[in-house]
Amino acid sequence: DTAVSQTPKYLVTQMGNDKSIKCEQNLGHDTMYWYKQDSKKFLKIMFSYNNKELIINETVPNRFSPKSPDKAHLNLHINSLELGDSAVYFCASTANPSGLYDYGYTFGSGTRLTVV
Amino acid sequence: QKEVEQNSGPLSVPEGAIASLNCTYSDRGSQSFFWYRQYSGKSPELIMSIYSNGDKEDGRFTAQLNKASQYVSLLIRDSQPSDSATYLCAVGKTSYDKVIFGPGTSLSVIP
Repeated sequence: DTAVSQTPKYLVTQMGNDKSIKCEQNLGHDTMYWYKQDSKKFLKIMFSYNNKELIINETVPNRFSPKSPDKAHLNLHINSLELGDSAVYFCASTANPSGLYDYGYTFGSGTRLTVV
Repeated sequence: QKEVEQNSGPLSVPEGAIASLNCTYSDRGSQSFFWYRQYSGKSPELIMSIYSNGDKEDGRFTAQLNKASQYVSLLIRDSQPSDSATYLCAVGKTSYDKVIFGPGTSLSVIP
């Protein structure tokens, strides 16, 4: 069983289109994230949800809208896609730590988005 | 100053040698420190976490943390060609705060 699964794995689309990426985790984790990894391999956080509540919302164009229907799912919808949106988008989850310390992330396999 | 810095590499070591990967961070309030390994075209995979000053060993991997110097390192003993990957240092504060990733160091282990 895949712990954190993302769909689709590859997405090629034209500029101006709207697309969605889905993420599901079966680890029972309370917190989920979307990260963007650009062509230079730099991983940058976009959003974080804890038990369906948005807790981190980085400086991301409002064309990007996350949605968490329940704590096991976190989707990312992107409107009016631009060339600069081309990247690999990773979903991740982590257990809700009881103290100050984080237990690290489990990443999904990533969605490679190419905007043409 | 970037929040988490790493030498981009590539770092090349011969098989069987010790690979040393370094990371510095700017936020003195940081409390959680992680090393992730990312093979080309794959997702990051957690290999070590460390929270207290000193060394933490797990198999061939040793993480070292020095909060006073704001420095964390990863040593890989008896390096194998399968260790060739990009190693990402990640730093976090509290449980709900974001974890910041460094730019990664590319390691190549030469047979």
